[in-house]
Amino acid sequence: SQTIHQWPATLVQPVGSPLSLECTVEGTSNPNLYWYRQAAGRGLQLLFYSVGIGQISSEVPQNLSASRPQDRQFILSSKKLLLSDSGFYLCAWSGFGEQYFGPGTRLTVT
Amino acid sequence: QQPVQSPQAVILREGEDAVINCSSSKALYSVHWYRQKHGEAPVFLMILLKGGEQKGHEKISASFNEKKQQSSLYLTASQLSYSGTYFCGTELAGGSQGNLIFGKGTKLSVKP
Repeated sequence: SQTIHQWPATLVQPVGSPLSLECTVEGTSNPNLYWYRQAAGRGLQLLFYSVGIGQISSEVPQNLSASRPQDRQFILSSKKLLLSDSGFYLCAWSGFGEQYFGPGTRLTVT
Repeated sequence: QQPVQSPQAVILREGEDAVINCSSSKALYSVHWYRQKHGEAPVFLMILLKGGEQKGHEKISASFNEKKQQSSLYLTASQLSYSGTYFCGTELAGGSQGNLIFGKGTKLSVKP
């Protein structure tokens, strides 16, 4: 069966510091991968999606970037965090139309 | 492009029924439904791909009216475990495959 992992689970970072969040998927090959952000009490906003290694599409311009160095690995990064980057970051995968979310990373920028 | 969900919140007693609606101004290819409990990731409930399609999952079912660009989620004989925020995610017809636009959510509270 397929499983999706994210780490870290929680993170507190000061403004201006860098960020690296990692997502890995097991049990499937060549999945579509997605990064979403959910602000407190809000809906889900698609940030990036990837259909293959090295293929990244951005949905929202911001100070975040994403990379897919391996088939089942998706990384979200920032060089300098802003207060507005705080939120719940969710990675998701799909292979057959349905999307499944990882456990998420709760980021607080102070 | 963001779909509109209604109602924004609903409170039920155990055993009561509820309907959550999701409406889009754009033509849709599919509608996905999720339930999210506080502090947790959204959990996939079902996907509806065809106009007029209906699906069921235990006592939770959904319909998709392609012509009206609407989907409804039906919760019957609600249980305490149904509490949470329900999101619809819409995939636009002719859009990037798999890219979902989510509504703002409907908060469902089931009381004993």
